[in-house]
Amino acid sequence: GENVEQHPSTLSVQEGDSAVIKCTYSDSASNYFPWYKQELGKGPQLIIDIRSNVGEKKDQRIAVTLNKTAKHFSLHITETQPEDSAVYFCAASGGFGFNAGKSTFGDGTTLTVKP
Amino acid sequence: DTGVSQDPRHKITKRGQNVTFRCDPISEHNRLYWYRQTLGQGPEFLTYFQNEAQLEKSRLLSDRFSAERPKGSFSTLEIQRTEQGDSAMYLCASRSGTSLGTGELFFGEGSRLTVL
Repeated sequence: GENVEQHPSTLSVQEGDSAVIKCTYSDSASNYFPWYKQELGKGPQLIIDIRSNVGEKKDQRIAVTLNKTAKHFSLHITETQPEDSAVYFCAASGGFGFNAGKSTFGDGTTLTVKP
Repeated sequence: DTGVSQDPRHKITKRGQNVTFRCDPISEHNRLYWYRQTLGQGPEFLTYFQNEAQLEKSRLLSDRFSAERPKGSFSTLEIQRTEQGDSAMYLCASRSGTSLGTGELFFGEGSRLTVL
């Protein structure tokens, strides 16, 4: 089955700095890679996703890059703000049909943005 | 509120007791997923429904676990003879079957189970 590894497990940055979280996956059949943000006491919420036919996607301060050959993808947050503090999860899935929702998640990165 | 709702939010029980969690997905979503999340880890897939049909179960779902979605709307997850290792957050998520090209899951806030 799919295996997703995520690094680092904790990340502390100063407000305004950039944050980068990296993930690797094992199953070359995976073609959908979402990133979720989880705040304390809440369920994960999608912040950005990327499909395997795209190398990079950006949404305001958030960007995701994907290297299919190396089987890794990364989340980049620029101009971090204290409200970005949360746990971030990467995931990988088959991407089509019901498999799209059956994701394998990384173990999460706790991001702390210091004001 | 049209999001995914879960009930109860917290459940404390004694080892050996049965517990049941309920999930109400977003009304137009025909696909419903259950995940389990333990402290410091990401969610792990448990089972999946398309309408009322349970299409896949993870090997994590022992025979003490059963999930139903009787009318293709809300779903229940029952754990029989609970064990301390069952202590976790049980997350429900839903997505639209028509959202081709995206696998975005809409998660509820979870039901936290503590087995004493």
